[in-house]
Amino acid sequence: SAVISQKPSRDICQRGTSLTIQCQVDSQVTMMFWYRQQPGQSLTLIATANQGSEATYESGFVIDKFPISRPNLTFSTLTVSNMSPEDSSIYLCSVSLQGDGNTIYFGEGSWLTVV
Amino acid sequence: DAKTTQPPSMDCAEGRAANLPCNHSTISGNEYVYWYRQIHSQGPQYIIHGLKNNETNEMASLIITEDRKSSTLILPHATLRDTAVYYCIVRNSGGSNYKLTFGKGTLLTVNP
Repeated sequence: SAVISQKPSRDICQRGTSLTIQCQVDSQVTMMFWYRQQPGQSLTLIATANQGSEATYESGFVIDKFPISRPNLTFSTLTVSNMSPEDSSIYLCSVSLQGDGNTIYFGEGSWLTVV
Repeated sequence: DAKTTQPPSMDCAEGRAANLPCNHSTISGNEYVYWYRQIHSQGPQYIIHGLKNNETNEMASLIITEDRKSSTLILPHATLRDTAVYYCIVRNSGGSNYKLTFGKGTLLTVNP
């Protein structure tokens, strides 16, 4: 496995502001993904973070709301823009590792509460 | 949509085996069965995966039926710390389709 570090781990944000979540991995990864987990719900894939190019978004998620960067193999950011209370969720970074049979591992998540 | 069906909840006594079922009747030949769990307030934890043979690791055993339409995750000696939501996921581990699609999972409660 790998150590997947997310920052911040928790934050309380004002409505209308934006917050950037960072994900750092201590191993070489092949794929990086961002998920959202709304309160009491299962995980939903937001997008696949592609190195050096635009992320691939799932249906219902758009770049203007969730811009994603991945400047290198081990680092990615997710920004939640113009937040509303409906954006209160856990945001999770996940990765698949080189040479590990494509198993996907998750970070501990970033808990965002929008007030 | 998730391709699996799991009971919403199960109970197990501490020290006993926990057997968590999963139906995946539409699984295709190149899809694997993955199991994850999510303990409250934590990110999902990978447990085990398999294609058609039974698998065992330090955490659990995975039993896949011969027709691959269902599987069972076995925690041989459940502890209180195994209380979590367990997700059964089918996924194509090859090509470019690396995505995990989560269903609602099974909430396993281990009782003292």
